Amino acid sequence: QSVLTQPPSVSGALGQRVTISCTGSSSNIGARYDVHWYQQLPGTAPKLLIYNNNIRPSGVPDRFSGSKSGTSASLAVTGLQAEDEADYYCQSYDNGPSGSTVLFGGGTKLTVL
Amino acid sequence: QITLKESGPTLVKPTQTLTLTCTFSGFSLSTSGVGVGWIRQPPGKALEWLALSYWNDDNRYSPSLKTRLTITKDTSRNQVVLTMTNMDPVDTGTYYCTHIIMSGRFFHFDYWGQGTLVTVSS
Repeated sequence: QSVLTQPPSVSGALGQRVTISCTGSSSNIGARYDVHWYQQLPGTAPKLLIYNNNIRPSGVPDRFSGSKSGTSASLAVTGLQAEDEADYYCQSYDNGPSGSTVLFGGGTKLTVL
Repeated sequence: QITLKESGPTLVKPTQTLTLTCTFSGFSLSTSGVGVGWIRQPPGKALEWLALSYWNDDNRYSPSLKTRLTITKDTSRNQVVLTMTNMDPVDTGTYYCTHIIMSGRFFHFDYWGQGTLVTVSS
């Protein structure tokens, strides 16, 4: 059970918009720690998609956007394309009783219908 | 161009120690704000951060695994080595080496190796 909670799956039709949530707590996202997002295509290594909550690395289409508010963050994908079908992970940090650590969400499988 | 590649055994026996090497190019681990991290992924499951080594010799470990992990760097050879003791079948998974870049107070994993699958079985 991940400390950062993501829906196991989301789906959307070609051209539609979907959002993936990442819910944390006051000791991680709510502590004003940045959130990053990674895309993992089937059988490949993860790829950085969004960093520092809402910044796209060079080469990432502007169809992908990130936001953060309170103890949650979201990844939005607009104009869904077939190649967007992948697993998506959020990542942040925690500074709880066990010490500082890097957290990943449980991952969300995006299916393009 | 930044590249990273993991190497090590594909099969280890329970209780043995795993040693993985990350060999990288395109950056120096003596550059301020740079680091190398290790992340693993059990088959069909989520990513899990293991450890990281910063440019300034600061090393950090996952609290849940810190007693079993050691990370070392060889800046001259562009390598970072991760050792994990007392391996168990639940440690089976793909192990990734990543480039870390600091951005303000935080960092992110902006380049990833292809990963290496490690199976723990007798």
